[in-house]
Amino acid sequence: EAGVAQSPRYKIIEKRQSVAFWCNPISGHATLYWYQQILGQGPKLLIQFQNNGVVDDSQLPKDRFSAERLKGVDSTLKIQPAKLEDSAVYLCASSSGTVGYTFGSGTRLTVV
Amino acid sequence: AQSVTQPDIHITVSEGASLELRCNYSYGATPYLFWYVQSPGQGLQLLLKYFSGDTLVQGIKGFEAEFKRSQSSFNLRKPSVHWSDAAEYFCAVHEYGNKLVFGAGTILRVKS
Repeated sequence: EAGVAQSPRYKIIEKRQSVAFWCNPISGHATLYWYQQILGQGPKLLIQFQNNGVVDDSQLPKDRFSAERLKGVDSTLKIQPAKLEDSAVYLCASSSGTVGYTFGSGTRLTVV
Repeated sequence: AQSVTQPDIHITVSEGASLELRCNYSYGATPYLFWYVQSPGQGLQLLLKYFSGDTLVQGIKGFEAEFKRSQSSFNLRKPSVHWSDAAEYFCAVHEYGNKLVFGAGTILRVKS
């Protein structure tokens, strides 16, 4: 089966600019996650979708981050405006509902 | 809330030597535990997982891990390390709602 697809792989932006990341999960996986991985730290959950509904966005900085999963398939994570501390790898993952899931290769964001 | 501690930030071993990476968790009930590996610029790849049953779990690439409830530990081991094992390793615990909580990671360096 195809894996979790993410784009772009790399992005460099200036602070206060906006940026968007895209994720296409494994076909048929109802649950989709966005994780933020800051250098030197483990991944931290930002938001969890079940189909096109949000299950958990308690760790999402809602003043600048937004995410959507229209039609319950692919998803977009947006940051507007970006801050220096948003520099990180943004990982998307999907799950069929069983415990554990599959990660994409991530998008490395550098904010300068 | 669940938490995961990986006490070693960096570990260096010689090629062919044995390896043990430490992981301690805090969780009230029997945890679901995972080890992931991340090579530079890549996403997270699942090495192995423990749900229940035999406390010694075999994974891919010759890795194994042992669940010890009395010590709240889930250490990862490999009898003979190869240069290609150099990467960052993350221990994770499953949280209610099919979320994963990650440790900060251990960077493994292999010297020839």
